[in-house]
Amino acid sequence: NAGVTQTPKFRVLKTGQSMTLLCAQDMNHEYMYWYRQDPGMGLRLIHYSVGEGTTAKGEVPDGYNVSRLKKQNFLLGLESAAPSQTSVYFCASSWARGTNTGELFFGEGSRLTVL
Amino acid sequence: GESVGLHLPTLSVQEGDNSIINCAYSNSASDYFIWYKQESGKGPQFIIDIRSNMDKRQGQRVTVLLNKTVKHLSLQIAATQPGDSAVYFCAENEGGGTSYGKLTFGQGTILTVHP
Repeated sequence: NAGVTQTPKFRVLKTGQSMTLLCAQDMNHEYMYWYRQDPGMGLRLIHYSVGEGTTAKGEVPDGYNVSRLKKQNFLLGLESAAPSQTSVYFCASSWARGTNTGELFFGEGSRLTVL
Repeated sequence: GESVGLHLPTLSVQEGDNSIINCAYSNSASDYFIWYKQESGKGPQFIIDIRSNMDKRQGQRVTVLLNKTVKHLSLQIAATQPGDSAVYFCAENEGGGTSYGKLTFGQGTILTVHP
């Protein structure tokens, strides 16, 4: 049982390049999330999904797109990377509504640097 | 939007002492609060949560206290151990913890435990 797995763990991009971060969970969770963490700040929600085929915007969605084609996977895409997107990205998953939705299970993070 | 913040960005304690980490929140509609622990290079890990209809909740070596009158949350760690050294985040959720894990995180407190 691997929990939440993120790939890649590290990536360096040039401004304007595109990339996709992959998140996979093996806990059969309904909900999945992408957060970013910047120095001296808490995590901020980018996008989230409440089920296969559905996605929604979080607090800081601009510049990102997501897809949830399979229940176990949640992809975060950057179409044209900007230096402001340099951050550590965390994927998380949780059980469905009506349960303890504060208990998110996080991956170990993907450190992205945009030059 | 309103955010959750912390009084003390760093806390140093001796092994065996009790630790208290504080958090102030400003959103009066927040009704569900969570504490997370984040070790270096890892994703946040759920510690304990509390709903607004409670003022205290205990776990293993941890206690969360909620004072809704002054909008204050605290995490108490008993008999602190070196393995407790980490960044601790409080987070809040509006909607009884059912808002799909759309958490608002505070900045974090660095806890350092000296042997």
